[in-house]
Amino acid sequence: SYVLTQPPSVSVAPGQTATIPCRGDNIGTYSVHWHRQRPGRTPELVVFDDHGRPSGIPARFSGSNSGNTATLTISRVEAGDEADYYCQLWDTDHVVLGGGTKLTVL
Amino acid sequence: EFQLVESGGGVVQPGGSLRLSCAASGFFFKNYAMHWVRQVPGKGLEWVSVFSADDDVPYSGPSYAESAKGRFSISRDNRKNSLYLQMSRLRPEDSAIYYCVKDMYKSPSNFDFWGQGTLVTVSS
Repeated sequence: SYVLTQPPSVSVAPGQTATIPCRGDNIGTYSVHWHRQRPGRTPELVVFDDHGRPSGIPARFSGSNSGNTATLTISRVEAGDEADYYCQLWDTDHVVLGGGTKLTVL
Repeated sequence: EFQLVESGGGVVQPGGSLRLSCAASGFFFKNYAMHWVRQVPGKGLEWVSVFSADDDVPYSGPSYAESAKGRFSISRDNRKNSLYLQMSRLRPEDSAIYYCVKDMYKSPSNFDFWGQGTLVTVSS
């Protein structure tokens, strides 16, 4: 079955740019979505269809998807961005989720 | 404003059954695929099941994760704006918070809005 691989953790200083990769075989042929789960909160969609941004999500959040890697980029990182981030896609007849990446703001 | 309110969680013995419900409001329920996603506290997200909006979509009807096939059954009642998950032959590893989640589209694609979840504990 299809597998999405994310690094367990990423660390970044405030004001810098965080990039979180999500790797999968020919992932560029899928629509990839990203979800953020802040500590103690329910998850929320931050990027849909590779690079779409739901209302209320700041423009600092962007997505890209090509080849074997989809990427979530967070510019000008803030303390409030510290969270677990999950990539996700729909594959034929089921959902595939990455294992999640814990973003730590130093 | 979207609202998804789950209910039906609780403590059940291994091998037992439980029926989760999700009451939706604030959007046109029949127009969206609806998912169940679970999470063991402190662990990652695990998709459980989805029911698409109607028959005229790229993927219609229910779909299940391998861990749920043959034991769980998802259904929806568009007249009552409700989603259900009938769980049987429950195992300790089914213990988790179960979230009802709205998709952005009629056909399954993503997780657009989440409920607050209901806790299921399978233990003797």
